[in-house]
Amino acid sequence: GEEVAQTPKHLVRGEGQKAKLYCAPIKGHSYVFWYQQVLKNEFKFLISFQNENVFDETGMPKERFSAKCLPNSPCSLEIQATKLEDSAVYFCASSQSSGLTQYFGPGTRLTVL
Amino acid sequence: KQEVTQIPAALSVPEGENLVLNCSFTDSAIYNLQWFRQDPGKGLTSLLLIQSSQREQTSGRLNASLDKSSGRSTLYIAASQPGDSATYLCAVRPDTGANSKLTFGKGITLSVRP
Repeated sequence: GEEVAQTPKHLVRGEGQKAKLYCAPIKGHSYVFWYQQVLKNEFKFLISFQNENVFDETGMPKERFSAKCLPNSPCSLEIQATKLEDSAVYFCASSQSSGLTQYFGPGTRLTVL
Repeated sequence: KQEVTQIPAALSVPEGENLVLNCSFTDSAIYNLQWFRQDPGKGLTSLLLIQSSQREQTSGRLNASLDKSSGRSTLYIAASQPGDSATYLCAVRPDTGANSKLTFGKGITLSVRP
């Protein structure tokens, strides 16, 4: 597609439940990025992929967060045993190779109660 | 560790005014800098991307400049309109790879009064 698609738009989970978010990058883009926006305008990088390979995972809280980008499937970000502080908007972005613009999806708002 | 600062956090101007939004970064070893716009409850819209070798980029009423050595970028908005009201964020990509992560500033929330 011509835009980054993210589903669902909103997700509500009780503390301790699992949450799974999906991202379909722009067709032809090889790189996918996940960011977390916790407070207003505080963006935190989580992880990036080059095709199905992890490119940079330095921002991932690995004990509960995991992500995948498999061929012919949307990329996913999964949070096991959600905590209150995981409440945030999670943005996915994609780009072509070599330093071109990152295009962002509309985000998934996760609320942990 | 790269830090990106945008001051002030909020700005209110009358319609028609030309304005400059500032962005500074602590580590000048950047690959490029990107300016985004975020409307309330929405995702990010990319406005301009400046490569580290460039001095400025223009798109319509927007002009972004980059002074890499001093760690500064500005976004100039000409003849501001109420529709320009949004939060403007700058983000830098380090010079460690073409597609590494973006480090964001906290944004400037702009309000253009009719």
